[in-house]
Amino acid sequence: DAGITQSPRHKVTETGTPVTLRCHQTENHRYMYWYRQDPGHGLRLIHYSYGVKDTDKGEVSDGYSVSRSKTEDFLLTLESATSSQTSVYFCAINSGQGGQETQYFGPGTRLLVL
Amino acid sequence: DAKTTQPNSMESNEEEPVHLPCNHSTISGTDYIHWYRQLPSQGPEYVIHGLTSNVNNRMASLAIAEDRKSSTLILHRATLRDAAVYYCILVSGSARQLTFGSGTQLTVLP
Repeated sequence: DAGITQSPRHKVTETGTPVTLRCHQTENHRYMYWYRQDPGHGLRLIHYSYGVKDTDKGEVSDGYSVSRSKTEDFLLTLESATSSQTSVYFCAINSGQGGQETQYFGPGTRLLVL
Repeated sequence: DAKTTQPNSMESNEEEPVHLPCNHSTISGTDYIHWYRQLPSQGPEYVIHGLTSNVNNRMASLAIAEDRKSSTLILHRATLRDAAVYYCILVSGSARQLTFGSGTQLTVLP
């Protein structure tokens, strides 16, 4: 599992409240990712990081921000949660290079925004 | 990004081989073909990848067409634990991002 943990694993919150999800890895991987997955769909990339303080947007970044102050932690923040952000959020790390990268995923965080 | 096309769903009987197809007619010369699967209520997990030659590992085999416009993931003996959504993804040499499609939902019948 590449030593990836996510916290919390489940969260219920109300519209308009801020929410922060944490991804923690223990193997010093440079690249980290946040995806969301909605029912019946594949994963969509929200943001990713290629090093401490180095981040970039993915396909569905609106309404989300990220921070990476340490190699091992990648935080995803919903500044003001909306019901459309109800989803399962997966963190991942990247191992390898040159097209042979392999991503390893965390167990996911189920977020319900009421 | 080059796209892949997979059937929405497939069924297989337990202990029989399963061939999961993927079409990628616009694949470029530097694109690797990756397969991931997602078991119920879990994150995706890597299965196998290849460039031009067929590949085998402990989980599966990957057969790549000579023109590379299609590939097939082969599970040699399906078990109930192989029931999952299988994603075929193209990864270019310079990219470090995965673009997931809808995948193929594999149902394994006892």
